[in-house]
Amino acid sequence: AQRVTQPEKLLSVFKGAPVELKCNYSYSGSPELFWYVQYSRQRLQLLLRHISRESIKGFTADLNKGETSFHLKKPFAQEEDSAMYYCALRAYSGAGSYQLTFGKGTKLSVIP
Amino acid sequence: GAVVSQHPSRVICKSGTSVKIECRSLDFQATTMFWYRQFPKQSLMLMATSNEGSKATYEQGVEKDKFLINHASLTLSTLTVTSAHPEDSSFYICSATTGVYNEQFFGPGTRLTVL
Repeated sequence: AQRVTQPEKLLSVFKGAPVELKCNYSYSGSPELFWYVQYSRQRLQLLLRHISRESIKGFTADLNKGETSFHLKKPFAQEEDSAMYYCALRAYSGAGSYQLTFGKGTKLSVIP
Repeated sequence: GAVVSQHPSRVICKSGTSVKIECRSLDFQATTMFWYRQFPKQSLMLMATSNEGSKATYEQGVEKDKFLINHASLTLSTLTVTSAHPEDSSFYICSATTGVYNEQFFGPGTRLTVL
């Protein structure tokens, strides 16, 4: 079965400092990975996906199959980045269905 | 982006009663909806996947007779917690997608408290 690990429950950084939120996964197939963000009192929303190789709000994430990692990075943290971040893996669950497996989340706190 | 709503946002009920939570896709047709459960400071745990017009597929360990899921139309899925007990108190979140391989859009969640 697939598993997603986010080792840090809480990460505090100063504004302007670099940010790296760690995510490791285990999956026997070809993984598809996502980062979701949940701002205070808001719903979960997609931040980025590895397949798009995009940068959203200054965040990037590279899939490293050798290290089975998908760390989220931003060179200069902003106060508005403070939120809960979840790493997720989409896997085939049978009968034509795919499902997301989430990590436990990392709360990012950007100190002004 | 697509919007998913949930109703109610918060519900408190007595032990032994049943509670129905609605999940609606407001501006798109959702062929697949997912129900998650989130305990405090924990991750989202998938409970079941429902496709319009067919029976839901439940994850291992989720009691299908206790958590009844109905996906009667392309814009509505309901989760009924039957004979609720205090241990069922949790945050229930639904998501919807237009296809099995498409982005999931999440609802705002429903906080259930069973006294």
